[in-house]
Amino acid sequence: LAKTTQPISMDSYEGQEVNITCSHNNIATNDYITWYQQFPSQGPRFIIQGYKTKVTNEVASLFIPADRKSSTLSLPRVSLSDTAVYYCLVGEDTDKLIFGTGTRLQVFP
Amino acid sequence: KAGVTQTPRYLIKTRGQQVTLSCSPISGHRSVSWYQQTPGQGLQFLFEYFSETQRNKGNFPGRFSGRQFSNSRSEMNVSTLELGDSALYLCASSSHPPSVGFETQYFGPGTRLLVL
Repeated sequence: LAKTTQPISMDSYEGQEVNITCSHNNIATNDYITWYQQFPSQGPRFIIQGYKTKVTNEVASLFIPADRKSSTLSLPRVSLSDTAVYYCLVGEDTDKLIFGTGTRLQVFP
Repeated sequence: KAGVTQTPRYLIKTRGQQVTLSCSPISGHRSVSWYQQTPGQGLQFLFEYFSETQRNKGNFPGRFSGRQFSNSRSEMNVSTLELGDSALYLCASSSHPPSVGFETQYFGPGTRLLVL
Protein backbone atom coordinates (compact mmCIF):
# COMPACT_ATOMS: atom_id res chain seq x y z
CA LEU A 1 0.00 0.00 0.00
CA ALA A 2 1.56 3.26 -1.13
CA LYS A 3 2.09 5.74 1.66
CA THR A 4 1.16 9.36 1.52
CA THR A 5 4.58 10.94 1.72
CA GLN A 6 5.95 14.32 2.67
CA PRO A 7 9.46 15.69 3.24
CA ILE A 8 10.51 14.96 6.81
CA SER A 9 11.59 18.49 7.62
CA MET A 10 12.07 21.98 6.21
CA ASP A 11 13.83 25.07 7.49
CA SER A 12 12.91 28.64 6.67
CA TYR A 13 13.40 32.20 7.85
CA GLU A 14 10.76 34.64 8.93
CA GLY A 15 9.12 36.45 6.04
CA GLN A 16 9.87 33.76 3.46
CA GLU A 17 7.35 31.70 1.53
CA VAL A 18 7.31 27.99 2.34
CA ASN A 19 5.99 25.27 0.04
CA ILE A 20 5.35 21.80 1.43
CA THR A 21 4.47 18.98 -0.92
CA CYS A 22 2.51 15.80 -0.34
CA SER A 23 2.50 12.80 -2.66
CA HIS A 24 -0.72 10.78 -2.65
CA ASN A 25 -0.76 8.31 -5.52
CA ASN A 26 -3.81 6.40 -4.29
CA ILE A 27 -6.17 9.30 -3.71
CA ALA A 28 -9.82 8.42 -4.24
CA THR A 29 -11.58 9.98 -7.21
CA ASN A 30 -14.08 11.94 -5.17
CA ASP A 31 -11.97 12.81 -2.15
CA TYR A 32 -10.64 16.16 -1.07
CA ILE A 33 -7.13 16.98 0.15
CA THR A 34 -6.89 18.55 3.57
CA TRP A 35 -3.91 20.05 5.35
CA TYR A 36 -3.46 20.31 9.10
CA GLN A 37 -1.00 22.03 11.43
CA GLN A 38 0.01 20.42 14.69
CA PHE A 39 1.84 21.91 17.65
CA PRO A 40 3.37 19.73 20.39
CA SER A 41 0.81 18.19 22.75
CA GLN A 42 -2.11 19.47 20.68
CA GLY A 43 -4.47 17.96 18.15
CA PRO A 44 -4.09 18.83 14.45
CA ARG A 45 -5.64 22.13 13.43
CA PHE A 46 -7.36 22.62 10.05
CA ILE A 47 -5.51 24.87 7.60
CA ILE A 48 -7.01 24.43 4.14
CA GLN A 49 -8.87 21.98 1.94
CA GLY A 50 -9.23 21.57 -1.80
CA TYR A 51 -10.23 19.22 -4.60
CA LYS A 52 -8.36 20.51 -7.64
CA THR A 53 -6.48 23.52 -9.07
CA LYS A 54 -5.88 26.23 -6.49
CA VAL A 55 -7.53 27.20 -3.24
CA THR A 56 -6.59 30.21 -1.13
CA ASN A 57 -7.70 31.35 2.30
CA GLU A 58 -6.41 33.90 4.77
CA VAL A 59 -3.52 31.75 5.95
CA ALA A 60 -2.42 29.54 3.05
CA SER A 61 -2.81 28.42 -0.54
CA LEU A 62 -3.19 24.91 -1.82
CA PHE A 63 -2.07 23.88 -5.30
CA ILE A 64 -3.35 20.64 -6.79
CA PRO A 65 -2.27 19.47 -10.28
CA ALA A 66 -4.71 17.95 -12.73
CA ASP A 67 -3.81 14.34 -11.88
CA ARG A 68 -4.34 15.09 -8.13
CA LYS A 69 -1.55 12.70 -7.17
CA SER A 70 0.20 15.41 -5.23
CA SER A 71 -0.55 18.71 -3.58
CA THR A 72 1.47 21.68 -2.36
CA LEU A 73 0.70 23.75 0.70
CA SER A 74 2.03 27.28 0.40
CA LEU A 75 2.53 29.44 3.47
CA PRO A 76 3.28 33.06 2.56
CA ARG A 77 5.65 35.08 4.76
CA VAL A 78 6.06 32.59 7.59
CA SER A 79 6.64 33.72 11.17
CA LEU A 80 8.16 32.00 14.19
CA SER A 81 4.69 30.88 15.27
CA ASP A 82 4.39 28.79 12.10
CA THR A 83 6.99 26.38 13.49
CA ALA A 84 4.99 23.16 13.68
CA VAL A 85 4.39 19.84 11.96
CA TYR A 86 2.22 19.92 8.86
CA TYR A 87 0.18 16.97 7.63
CA CYS A 88 -1.82 16.29 4.51
CA LEU A 89 -4.87 14.05 4.77
CA VAL A 90 -6.48 12.25 1.85
CA GLY A 91 -8.99 9.50 1.29
CA GLU A 92 -7.71 6.54 -0.67
CA ASP A 93 -9.44 4.10 -2.97
CA THR A 94 -9.67 1.75 0.00
CA ASP A 95 -12.14 4.23 1.49
CA LYS A 96 -9.70 4.90 4.31
CA LEU A 97 -8.44 8.28 5.42
CA ILE A 98 -4.65 8.44 5.32
CA PHE A 99 -2.47 11.07 6.93
CA GLY A 100 0.79 11.99 5.30
CA THR A 101 4.06 11.29 7.05
CA GLY A 102 4.26 14.87 8.28
CA THR A 103 6.71 17.72 7.64
CA ARG A 104 8.41 19.43 10.55
CA LEU A 105 8.79 23.12 9.66
CA GLN A 106 11.32 25.14 11.64
CA VAL A 107 11.21 28.91 11.17
CA PHE A 108 14.26 30.90 12.23
CA PRO A 109 14.39 34.60 13.04
CA LYS B 1 -19.21 26.68 20.17
CA ALA B 2 -17.15 24.39 22.39
CA GLY B 3 -14.54 22.30 20.61
CA VAL B 4 -13.92 18.58 20.74
CA THR B 5 -13.17 17.41 24.24
CA GLN B 6 -11.35 14.27 25.24
CA THR B 7 -11.02 12.67 28.63
CA PRO B 8 -8.81 11.87 30.32
CA ARG B 9 -5.92 13.93 28.95
CA TYR B 10 -3.26 11.65 30.41
CA LEU B 11 -3.33 8.05 31.47
CA ILE B 12 -0.81 5.55 32.77
CA LYS B 13 -1.60 1.84 32.62
CA THR B 14 0.33 -1.40 32.88
CA ARG B 15 0.57 -4.20 30.36
CA GLY B 16 -2.46 -6.45 30.29
CA GLN B 17 -4.87 -3.84 31.59
CA GLN B 18 -7.67 -2.35 29.57
CA VAL B 19 -8.48 1.32 29.02
CA THR B 20 -11.48 3.36 27.89
CA LEU B 21 -11.08 6.80 26.34
CA SER B 22 -13.92 9.26 25.84
CA CYS B 23 -14.62 11.87 23.19
CA SER B 24 -17.35 14.52 23.07
CA PRO B 25 -17.74 16.01 19.58
CA ILE B 26 -18.64 19.55 18.67
CA SER B 27 -22.32 20.19 19.28
CA GLY B 28 -24.31 19.16 16.23
CA HIS B 29 -21.60 16.95 14.80
CA ARG B 30 -22.67 13.36 14.28
CA SER B 31 -19.43 11.87 13.01
CA VAL B 32 -16.49 10.90 15.22
CA SER B 33 -13.19 9.43 14.09
CA TRP B 34 -10.32 8.13 16.16
CA TYR B 35 -6.61 8.20 15.34
CA GLN B 36 -3.49 6.88 17.00
CA GLN B 37 -0.33 8.97 16.85
CA THR B 38 3.11 7.57 17.61
CA PRO B 39 6.59 8.84 16.72
CA GLY B 40 7.29 5.75 14.65
CA GLN B 41 4.03 5.29 12.77
CA GLY B 42 2.70 8.83 12.67
CA LEU B 43 -1.05 9.42 12.55
CA GLN B 44 -3.01 6.26 11.86
CA PHE B 45 -6.75 5.91 11.39
CA LEU B 46 -8.54 3.71 13.93
CA PHE B 47 -12.31 4.02 13.43
CA GLU B 48 -15.02 6.21 12.02
CA TYR B 49 -18.51 6.41 13.52
CA PHE B 50 -21.62 8.12 12.25
CA SER B 51 -25.02 7.97 13.92
CA GLU B 52 -23.91 5.17 16.24
CA THR B 53 -22.66 3.00 13.38
CA GLN B 54 -19.07 2.13 12.63
CA ARG B 55 -18.51 3.06 8.98
CA ASN B 56 -14.83 2.36 8.69
CA LYS B 57 -12.05 0.65 10.58
CA GLY B 58 -8.30 0.92 10.23
CA ASN B 59 -5.76 -1.88 10.32
CA PHE B 60 -5.64 -2.46 14.05
CA PRO B 61 -6.11 -5.69 16.01
CA GLY B 62 -9.41 -6.62 17.60
CA ARG B 63 -8.13 -5.39 20.97
CA PHE B 64 -9.08 -1.94 19.73
CA SER B 65 -12.79 -1.30 19.73
CA GLY B 66 -15.13 1.65 19.91
CA ARG B 67 -18.69 2.76 20.02
CA GLN B 68 -20.81 5.85 19.60
CA PHE B 69 -23.81 6.83 21.67
CA SER B 70 -27.07 8.45 20.64
CA ASN B 71 -25.76 11.86 21.76
CA SER B 72 -22.79 11.37 19.37
CA ARG B 73 -20.29 10.98 22.19
CA SER B 74 -17.84 8.20 21.50
CA GLU B 75 -15.62 5.88 23.46
CA MET B 76 -12.76 3.70 22.41
CA ASN B 77 -11.49 0.74 24.35
CA VAL B 78 -8.17 -1.05 24.22
CA SER B 79 -8.00 -4.40 25.97
CA THR B 80 -4.93 -6.36 27.03
CA LEU B 81 -2.66 -3.34 26.69
CA GLU B 82 0.80 -3.75 25.17
CA LEU B 83 3.81 -1.48 25.49
CA GLY B 84 3.37 -0.52 21.83
CA ASP B 85 -0.06 0.92 22.56
CA SER B 86 1.60 3.92 24.20
CA ALA B 87 0.52 6.80 22.01
CA LEU B 88 -1.50 9.96 21.67
CA TYR B 89 -5.08 9.03 20.83
CA LEU B 90 -6.90 11.73 18.91
CA CYS B 91 -10.58 12.14 18.33
CA ALA B 92 -12.00 14.24 15.51
CA SER B 93 -15.56 15.29 14.81
CA SER B 94 -17.38 16.46 11.72
CA SER B 95 -20.96 17.07 10.64
CA HIS B 96 -20.94 14.11 8.26
CA PRO B 97 -18.56 11.22 7.72
CA PRO B 98 -15.17 12.53 6.61
CA SER B 99 -14.83 9.66 4.19
CA VAL B 100 -17.51 11.21 1.96
CA GLY B 101 -14.77 13.47 0.70
CA PHE B 102 -15.37 17.05 1.64
CA GLU B 103 -16.03 17.14 5.34
CA THR B 104 -13.59 19.02 7.56
CA GLN B 105 -12.62 17.26 10.74
CA TYR B 106 -11.95 19.14 13.96
CA PHE B 107 -9.58 17.49 16.38
CA GLY B 108 -9.54 17.32 20.14
CA PRO B 109 -6.37 17.74 22.22
CA GLY B 110 -5.90 13.99 22.53
CA THR B 111 -5.40 11.51 25.33
CA ARG B 112 -1.79 10.57 25.98
CA LEU B 113 -1.62 6.93 27.05
CA LEU B 114 1.52 5.47 28.58
CA VAL B 115 1.69 1.71 29.02
CA LEU B 116 4.32 0.47 31.47
